[in-house]
Amino acid sequence: EAGVAQSPRYKIIEKRQSVAFWCNPISGHATLYWYQQILGQGPKLLIQFQNNGVVDDSQLPKDRFSAERLKGVDSTLKIQPAKLEDSAVYLCASSLVGQGYYEQYFGPGTRLTVT
Amino acid sequence: AQSVAQPEDQVNVAEGNPLTVKCTYSVSGNPYLFWYVQYPNRGLQFLLKYITGDNLVKGSYGFEAEFNKSQTSFHLKKPSALVSDSALYFCAVRDRERDDKIIFGKGTRLHILP
Repeated sequence: EAGVAQSPRYKIIEKRQSVAFWCNPISGHATLYWYQQILGQGPKLLIQFQNNGVVDDSQLPKDRFSAERLKGVDSTLKIQPAKLEDSAVYLCASSLVGQGYYEQYFGPGTRLTVT
Repeated sequence: AQSVAQPEDQVNVAEGNPLTVKCTYSVSGNPYLFWYVQYPNRGLQFLLKYITGDNLVKGSYGFEAEFNKSQTSFHLKKPSALVSDSALYFCAVRDRERDDKIIFGKGTRLHILP
C-alpha cells in the first residue's frame, strides 16, 4: 500500500513570498489533515478535510494560509505572504475516517525555511 | 480542554535495558490514546493505541503502553531497548465523547546508548 505523498520535501523562501505544498493521501482515505510542526513541538492541526469539505480549520491563520481538497483526493496548502514564524515542517496525514479511534498515516513532511 | 503532557524532553537508556517514556493527559470525557514515533527526516508512524478494554496495549516493534485511568497516564514501555529505537516519540489524546481533534504532546527524544 502506497503511503502519503508530499512535495516538495524542502523549500526555502524569503518573507512575504508565497509557497504551496501538495499532498496525496492513501487511496480510500476520506479524511485528510494538515499539521504544522515547529522545532521542539508536537504537530499542531491546521485544517481537517472530510472528503472535500472542511471539518475543522479553527487553528488555520486564514489571513495568510489557505487549503483546498478538490475532488476529495489531493490537497494543496498555501501560504501567502510568508512570515519568519512560518518556518516549520508541514505534515500531511490521512485516515479512513475522521472520527474516533482511527490512527492517522503521515507523509514525510515539507520543511519550510523562511528567511 | 483536552491536553497531553510529556514531562521529559529526553530519555537515555542503555541498550538491553527496559525503557519507559511518560505521558499524562487531561480530557473532560474518556480518552482515545495514541503513541507515534518519528525517525529523522520521516513523518510520524503509528505505534499503538488504547480504545477500551485491557489496560495493557501491545504495538509495533515490541512496544507496549499501559493505560492508568486513576493517574491519567499512558506510559510507553519496552522490556529491552535497541539502538534502533532511538527516535522522537509523541503521545496524543482524543476526547472520546466530544470527538475533538487529536492533541499531540511536545515529544520525548529517546536515546539508546550502545
